[in-house]
Amino acid sequence: GAVVSQHPSWVICKSGTSVKIECRSLDFQATTMFWYRQFPKQSLMLMATSNEGSKATYEQGVEKDKFLINHASLTLSTLTVTSAHPEDSSFYICSARDSLLSTDTQYFGPGTRLTVL
Amino acid sequence: ILNVEQSPQSLHVQEGDSTNFTCSFPSSNFYALHWYRWETAKSPEALFVMTLNGDEKKKGRISATLNTKEGYSYLYIKGSQPEDSATYLCAFKAGTASKLTFGTGTRLQVTL
Repeated sequence: GAVVSQHPSWVICKSGTSVKIECRSLDFQATTMFWYRQFPKQSLMLMATSNEGSKATYEQGVEKDKFLINHASLTLSTLTVTSAHPEDSSFYICSARDSLLSTDTQYFGPGTRLTVL
Repeated sequence: ILNVEQSPQSLHVQEGDSTNFTCSFPSSNFYALHWYRWETAKSPEALFVMTLNGDEKKKGRISATLNTKEGYSYLYIKGSQPEDSATYLCAFKAGTASKLTFGTGTRLQVTL
């Protein structure tokens, strides 16, 4: 149980294009999902907290207009990197918390490797 | 900015060896400490959520201890196996509504 899928697993795009990454909780409902970014040899850094039916909460330094988050259902959150540039190349990974459990555990997807040329 | 440190950065052991590594975190405003196991090309897998000072948790050959007063947690693996090869992440949570702050992980490689 508690499986989170993420799609695509990798993507290469040209500078200036937008890329959408999907995060799905497959066997549980997730009111709250999280989006992280990891640069080489660094830790997972929280970008934003995605709340079903409301606006995402962004961490300091993360541009909300550049990283659009939509959490329209209890099982799906999307992250769109708009007008991507080479410096946006990174590993993006999502996680979700089971709405019905009181546990604090976050269940992670496998991540998306984004390369912007 | 919360500082969560893990040591060592990487570790190479032989099959059957027991090993341990450390996660250091701020000792003030502690709420929870999470451990995850992350195999290459897979999703990080939750191992433990630890909340009380002195907590000891066990899952098979893996166990963890927690000292919130001095700000550290140890993860132990008894009789390491090649399938234990992974990066082990810890994440600190301060307060009920705050985010998880991750360490950079300890990369464990177990060889035959």
